Amino acid sequence: QQQVKQSPQSLIVQKGGISIINCAYENTAFDYFPWYQQFPGKGPALLIAIRPDVSEKKEGRFTISFNKSAKQFSLHIMDSQPGDSATYFCAASGPMDSSYKLIFGSGTRLLVRP
Amino acid sequence: ETGVTQSPTHLIKTRGQQVTLRCSSQSGHNTVSWYQQALGQGPQFIFQYYREEENGRGNFPPRFSGLQFPNYSSELNVNALELDDSALYLCASSYRDRGNEKLFFGSGTQLSVL
Repeated sequence: QQQVKQSPQSLIVQKGGISIINCAYENTAFDYFPWYQQFPGKGPALLIAIRPDVSEKKEGRFTISFNKSAKQFSLHIMDSQPGDSATYFCAASGPMDSSYKLIFGSGTRLLVRP
Repeated sequence: ETGVTQSPTHLIKTRGQQVTLRCSSQSGHNTVSWYQQALGQGPQFIFQYYREEENGRGNFPPRFSGLQFPNYSSELNVNALELDDSALYLCASSYRDRGNEKLFFGSGTQLSVL
């Protein structure tokens, strides 16, 4: 119930294309869903996050779509650029305990070809 | 940059040894979390400290221990190192205001156990 399942494992997109990464969760107590971007040799950096009271959130070229009934959420990167090549992690947390620990997906390696 | 610094950046130890990893939190942050990231995997929650007390623990054995100091810097100690402890160890600081606070990750310490 604590798992967050992420797909695909890897993704290759042409410059200017749309990158789509999907995540699914089991625990209905989760109420915070962030996406992190990680470059080699760096720690994850928060990209965008959503709460279940909205179905979509957009920040620049990055959009999260959230489907509460299906317990799924996805990251869309519009106009993908070579600089977006990185590993992306979805995550979830909720007030199950006081630490609000993040449960991460297994990651998606995105390669944007020039 | 997140303002979270970790040291050392790389470390090589042998099985059975003990290791101490250090983290300096972002200014103003009162909560620190530690995560273990195995190669090709998402980060896994080890534990969290809030105001110098452990505030939640993941599925890690007691040989993983930590400290948070009055200046909110932190240490992760691992005793009796095993080969499977080889991973990137990430420190994340945050400000405990309400649930689901934003985490700011350091670049990590890459630990290799031989």
